[in-house]
Amino acid sequence: KAGVTQTPRYLIKTRGQQVTLSCSPISGHRSVSWYQQTPGQGLQFLFEYFSETQRNKGNFPGRFSGRQFSNSRSEMNVSTLELGDSALYLCATGLATSTGELFFGEGSRLTVL
Amino acid sequence: GNSVTQMEGPVTLSEEAFLTINCTYTATGYPSLFWYVQYPGEGLQLLLKATKADDKGSNKGFEATYRKETTSFHLEKGSVQVSDSAVYFCAGSYSGGGADGLTFGKGTHLIIQP
Repeated sequence: KAGVTQTPRYLIKTRGQQVTLSCSPISGHRSVSWYQQTPGQGLQFLFEYFSETQRNKGNFPGRFSGRQFSNSRSEMNVSTLELGDSALYLCATGLATSTGELFFGEGSRLTVL
Repeated sequence: GNSVTQMEGPVTLSEEAFLTINCTYTATGYPSLFWYVQYPGEGLQLLLKATKADDKGSNKGFEATYRKETTSFHLEKGSVQVSDSAVYFCAGSYSGGGADGLTFGKGTHLIIQP
């Protein structure tokens, strides 16, 4: 079956702009989590959605937001971009987070100039 | 807060060598523990998991045992191959994976030379 699809794969923005990233989960997966991966901080949890509701949120500023649609597809948005937001943003989906069996997409690599 | 600590690489080994990548976790409750692997240009893939003390996860020749007494979940493989070259992440799922998502270690870059 199709895996987790993230779009776009690569994008370049400038400081102050905003960006929206998309994630289409594996069919049947209702949980969608987002992670930020950087060389310095590693993988950090952003937030998790389940059935269109944000269940959990990591320690990121309010500029980072997300939503989930009725078909379980999810988007995350970063407003007022900063240089430090340059990272690989990974989406992970699963049937339920409690097992931790997450399936990851290949990520969206954001570069902020 | 919760944390997972793993040895940082790169770790360079010759083909057929024995591999150990150390991982320890903070003992807040009883997390489920995982090893994920990230091959170049790809997303993370679940390699193995263990959900309670003394459980052993295994897959593709890799093994890890949930050690409560040492709060460890070390990854081992008896004979590595060039195709095992990747970044390996140890992770813990606290609060049933809910409140904090998965907590990841920093990752260990493994390089296997022929």
